[in-house]
Amino acid sequence: NAGVMQNPRHLVRRRGQEARLRCSPMKGHSHVYWYRQLPEEGLKFMVYLQKENIIDESGMPKERFSAEFPKEGPSILRIQQVVRGDSAAYFCASSPRQVMNTEAFFGQGTRLTVV
Amino acid sequence: DAKTTQPNSMESNEEEPVHLPCNHSTISGTDYIHWYRQLPSQGPEYVIHGLTSNVNNRMASLAIAEDRKSSTLILHRATLRDAAVYYCILRDGSNSGYALNFGKGTSLLVTP
Repeated sequence: NAGVMQNPRHLVRRRGQEARLRCSPMKGHSHVYWYRQLPEEGLKFMVYLQKENIIDESGMPKERFSAEFPKEGPSILRIQQVVRGDSAAYFCASSPRQVMNTEAFFGQGTRLTVV
Repeated sequence: DAKTTQPNSMESNEEEPVHLPCNHSTISGTDYIHWYRQLPSQGPEYVIHGLTSNVNNRMASLAIAEDRKSSTLILHRATLRDAAVYYCILRDGSNSGYALNFGKGTSLLVTP
């Protein structure tokens, strides 16, 4: 059973371009979470999705950021018109159910660099 | 989620036991105590979780105080590979909150 797969591992974008980050959860997992880690800082929750639904996006910046988890295919975190401050590591996690009493499995992350 | 307090950093010798403390004085009766760790340049990794009783798994042990206001993650024999940031997180089992809220954690340094 493959773990949570994120791609690309590294992404370089110029200011103003779009960044698309992909996350394939573990097989059988229908809950996906996205986190952002700025350099030398902790992990910050961004959004929680189930298949075809956004459940909690309280941590998402109000502009330029969006996320989806379609019925088929990976979850996508999209950042439009990237700025230097978007440079960070973005981690995706999945779980078979809400994580209150179960573990979440994290991917290796996508490191976004905006130049 | 209730707040947790951890030391910023700790140091251990290789092959010695390590006790990582976590204070959570405002814990509620339905909060689960989770521990994750993050090795350098990697995603977080689940370590262990518990509710009231002490827990053991292949990675570590979790000792929970009787009043549940504190807990301790125990690594029985630290290796160089255990050098990481360790996060103590409370998750409410009664509501529909979703995120694991990571604080600053404890940075563990393991020296040979």
